[in-house]
Amino acid sequence: DTEVTQTPKHLVMGMTNKKSLKCEQHMGHRAMYWYKQKAKKPPELMFVYSYEKLSINESVPSRFSPECPNSSLLNLHLHALQPEDSALYLCASSQEGVGQDTQYFGPGTRLTVL
Amino acid sequence: TQLLEQSPQFLSIQEGENLTVYCNSSSVFSSLQWYRQEPGEGPVLLVTVVTGGEVKKLKRLTFQFGDARKDSSLHITAAQPGDTGLYLCAGAGVQTGANNLFFGTGTRLTVIP
Repeated sequence: DTEVTQTPKHLVMGMTNKKSLKCEQHMGHRAMYWYKQKAKKPPELMFVYSYEKLSINESVPSRFSPECPNSSLLNLHLHALQPEDSALYLCASSQEGVGQDTQYFGPGTRLTVL
Repeated sequence: TQLLEQSPQFLSIQEGENLTVYCNSSSVFSSLQWYRQEPGEGPVLLVTVVTGGEVKKLKRLTFQFGDARKDSSLHITAAQPGDTGLYLCAGAGVQTGANNLFFGTGTRLTVIP
């Protein structure tokens, strides 16, 4: 099973709302990732968790707050977003360690900020 | 930053034709993945290549990793409309630990029936 699940599939929110995106994998992967993808562009890395600890934060604004409650779950908390934050948000996971680089992506959450 | 350039950016061909997509960089990668992505969906892994010079085949798709592990190619034989999509190459850095994937610029393929 190489499945990564994400909920919700679509999300529309106002600039004052607080919402969360969820990601889950049961492959025993110890590295999990959040990416943001704008239309017609490749995914851009936001955060990396390794063994449930934040290991990379690609200078993402604080209105995005990641959380890794356990090795299978990854959340992205959203607050006071801007319309330019509208994008496809992708979660991915991989094994941790040298030579274990393959990342498996979820289907994404299409976020629209009004 | 480890940049990956893909070419061509756009490709529109007739069903049955062959095509090759290139992924080039001046940086060395520990491995390279190819993904296909449909609009509004997440990238779906096609293959991972790890060894310099490695060739992998997936039905009508042939993937090659350059000897120096800096570049890769994807060749599709007898393209079908189901091959339509965005093809992304992504290289994993050589440092240890959870790695950033450096995505290529993407190739949008349209196969016309």
